Amino acid sequence: EDQVTQSPEALRLQEGESSSLNCSYTVSGLRGLFWYRQDPGKGPEFLFTLYSAGEEKEKERLKATLTKKESFLHITAPKPEDSATYLCAVHRNQAGTALIFGKGTTLSVSS
Amino acid sequence: DTGVSQDPRHKITKRGQNVTFRCDPISEHNRLYWYRQTLGQGPEFLTYFQNEAQLEKSRLLSDRFSAERPKGSFSTLEIQRTEQGDSAMYLCASSVDRYTEAFFGQGTRLTVV
Repeated sequence: EDQVTQSPEALRLQEGESSSLNCSYTVSGLRGLFWYRQDPGKGPEFLFTLYSAGEEKEKERLKATLTKKESFLHITAPKPEDSATYLCAVHRNQAGTALIFGKGTTLSVSS
Repeated sequence: DTGVSQDPRHKITKRGQNVTFRCDPISEHNRLYWYRQTLGQGPEFLTYFQNEAQLEKSRLLSDRFSAERPKGSFSTLEIQRTEQGDSAMYLCASSVDRYTEAFFGQGTRLTVV
């Protein structure tokens, strides 16, 4: 069965303390991997799309990377406004399929 | 505002009542998705449309749930005879095609009392 597993479930960081979030997946033919940010009570906000192993994308303090088994979201020198739940989703290379989401990692950054 | 729009943002209903939610996707997005999210969980896929055709429905979508997308524009999700277990955030998303990123609306928070 296709699965997306995110770890850790929760992460507490001090402002400026860099870290990484993990998304491991088992899908039959990965077509794309997506990262989203979600604030409490709001819909997910799109961050990155990764299509092939070795690909990297950056946006401000965030950098997403992809291997054949997992993806990492690296957060460099985080600020309190980076506090949110980060969701990973995958799209299978199969007609008629939708995004499959992990449960997310809730990040708290304190000043 | 050119984002995905959902209405209402919040809905409180009594058990057994019917409710209907509306989603207006980003203009010219052919794909429209419905997801459900409960506290501490990621979004769970319910159904999606390619233009006006409903192409896939999750096992989560019981007979009490029905979705439409007339003329391939806005979409509605109806829940009949609501149950307390239906309490969740209902999210709508749209994308240009099957391989590109989906953009989400702010969701409709349903509370069944």
